[in-house]
Amino acid sequence: GAVVSQHPSRVICKSGTSVKIECRSLDFQATTMFWYRQFPKQSLMLMATSNEGSKATYEQGVEKDKFLINHASLTLSTLTVTSAHPEDSSFYICSARDFSGSGGLSTDTQYFGPGTRLTVL
Amino acid sequence: AQSVTQLDSQVPVFEEAPVELRCNYSSSVSVYLFWYVQYPNQGLQLLLKYLSGSTLVKGINGFEAEFNKSQTSFHLRKPSVHISDTAEYFCAVSDRNFNKFYFGSGTKLNVKP
Repeated sequence: GAVVSQHPSRVICKSGTSVKIECRSLDFQATTMFWYRQFPKQSLMLMATSNEGSKATYEQGVEKDKFLINHASLTLSTLTVTSAHPEDSSFYICSARDFSGSGGLSTDTQYFGPGTRLTVL
Repeated sequence: AQSVTQLDSQVPVFEEAPVELRCNYSSSVSVYLFWYVQYPNQGLQLLLKYLSGSTLVKGINGFEAEFNKSQTSFHLRKPSVHISDTAEYFCAVSDRNFNKFYFGSGTKLNVKP
């Protein structure tokens, strides 16, 4: 299946600093990528939808000025946590939408990255 | 909007026993249904998905799930589990435009020797 990578896999930073997380689709082009946040022992919560070449769409309650999303190319989306605080510590997971259409048959699914563990001290 | 309910937060089972992980959903529109597995400190891996056609869907690692529209369920089953199946399993739904995925709260499957 399709592969999505995330970098870094784990990051520790001091309170007040900014952290950038990269999400790449390695063998397909993704016009749409999604960013999720997972708290310990909880499910994934969608934070925002990232569309290549346009502004991201944020879910209700997610601060767009704090979680900056850039989808500059068809294979790369970045999430920057600005002025991080301990409550931002979480597991951040991205996914990329793979849509393949051919001769009337199409497949469309999301492939998830391995996640990034952010710890803010 | 859609929502997903996984009633069992934890399911302990002995190796080689059968297992069923329950998933119910609610939606005002037609949906696609998915099961994902998450191993510790890893992302999600797609087990199987239901888009259309046969309501019995077979996935990887011997798992299968059955879509029941009248009961709005998509339960995951495996006839004989292995230790390596110990993980957390998430049920998810999306609208038919794949615009958003909504996840259940997850079920931790603990396979005991």
